[in-house]
Amino acid sequence: EPEVTQTPSHQVTQMGQEVILRCVPISNHLYFYWYRQILGQKVEFLVSFYNNEISEKSEIFDDQFSVERPDGSNFTLKIRSTKLEDSAMYFCASSDTGIQQFFGPGTRLTVL
Amino acid sequence: RKEVEQDPGPFNVPEGATVAFNCTYSNSASQSFFWYRQDCRKEPKLLMSVYSSGNEDGRFTAQLNRASQYISLLIRDSKLSDSATYLCVVNIGGNKLVFGAGTILRVKS
Repeated sequence: EPEVTQTPSHQVTQMGQEVILRCVPISNHLYFYWYRQILGQKVEFLVSFYNNEISEKSEIFDDQFSVERPDGSNFTLKIRSTKLEDSAMYFCASSDTGIQQFFGPGTRLTVL
Repeated sequence: RKEVEQDPGPFNVPEGATVAFNCTYSNSASQSFFWYRQDCRKEPKLLMSVYSSGNEDGRFTAQLNRASQYISLLIRDSKLSDSATYLCVVNIGGNKLVFGAGTILRVKS
């Protein structure tokens, strides 16, 4: 069964550093998303991406964040100048129709 | 009012029991509805979509009441492996999923 993959599984970084989280969506999917989940809290939408552009973003997704589809398979989330409060689990998701979304295993980001 | 509201539980039930979870949502323009399950420190996994006509998948039955803005999930013959957090999820349009905080289920032998 095809699945979304994410790397790395755990990223530790110093406050102020830049991180890039990587995702490989399911191969025939056209819609891509990033969500985050702070420990003990609910899953929160960050951004959706379709046809090589952002289709929607949340208030959380400010200028510190950016997304890119650098080639035909990868989908990345870049966080510039990380803050302590960026520590969370970051989930990538993909969808073929934009309705049912399938999640990757997540990247645990720890900002020290 | 929260966009998606769930009873956090935990629901502690014996194996074989039937358990029901409820969820309410605030946005009447919501378009599609789902139940996901999440195991500790893992990703949300799609359990089932929810339709007004009701739908069943094995031991799981989901129901949507648009007039009351209410979604339910019924699990029959609970198994130990059903222990997880059940997330009520609503698509409010534009492909953005809004998650409830989840209901914890613990099935005990």
